[in-house]
Amino acid sequence: DIQMTQSPSSLSASVGDRVTITCRASQSISSYLNWYQQKPGKAPKLLIYAASSLQSGVPSRFSGSGSGTDFTLTISSLQPEDFATYYCQQSYSMNTFGPGTKVDIK
Amino acid sequence: QITLKESGPTLVKPTQTLTLTCTFSGFSLSTSGVGVGWIRQPPGKALEWLALIYWNDDKRYSPSLKSRLTITKDTSKNQVVLTMTNMDPVDTATYYCAHRLEDDYGDYYDAFDIWGQGTMVTVSS
Repeated sequence: DIQMTQSPSSLSASVGDRVTITCRASQSISSYLNWYQQKPGKAPKLLIYAASSLQSGVPSRFSGSGSGTDFTLTISSLQPEDFATYYCQQSYSMNTFGPGTKVDIK
Repeated sequence: QITLKESGPTLVKPTQTLTLTCTFSGFSLSTSGVGVGWIRQPPGKALEWLALIYWNDDKRYSPSLKSRLTITKDTSKNQVVLTMTNMDPVDTATYYCAHRLEDDYGDYYDAFDIWGQGTMVTVSS
């Protein structure tokens, strides 16, 4: 089974900050990596698929990069509505979600 | 417009079998490439993928739960059903169904772009 880790598990940031979240797979998953945003009490929202493709309707301040085992989600300028928990998901072999990264207000 | 909605019991007893139904609209599970997945989330914890069924009736299951899960589809009713046997209190969670992504170019990915609102299931005697 492929295991996913995320770092950090939580971070505090201010509006306007550049935020980077890392996701690592236990083995190579090529570019089969997706990113989601989840707010309390809500279903997750797809942000990035195939490691770097921006989902339709998602603001361009979100970007994804990486391949193989190491991936990053970057928010170029954090907005008030971006405070949430972010999950990565590998779809190379079955599907596995990462443990999540909570982004809160500094 | 694609929508999905989960339905099923809110409370089940330990050892019972859980049956959840995902009723969807805006797409057909007979269309090539289409898929519907199930994902759950215990209170305060991370997402966990459970199962995925494709238009051609191919099925994928979480390895750790495979022996307890069955996913089926009823194309005529626009429904996907997930059954989970031998329920335990650790299975208490919000259960979501979600649509497999079709991008703007008509390519499909095992990512989930449209989710249901989720249904909370509590396992307790």
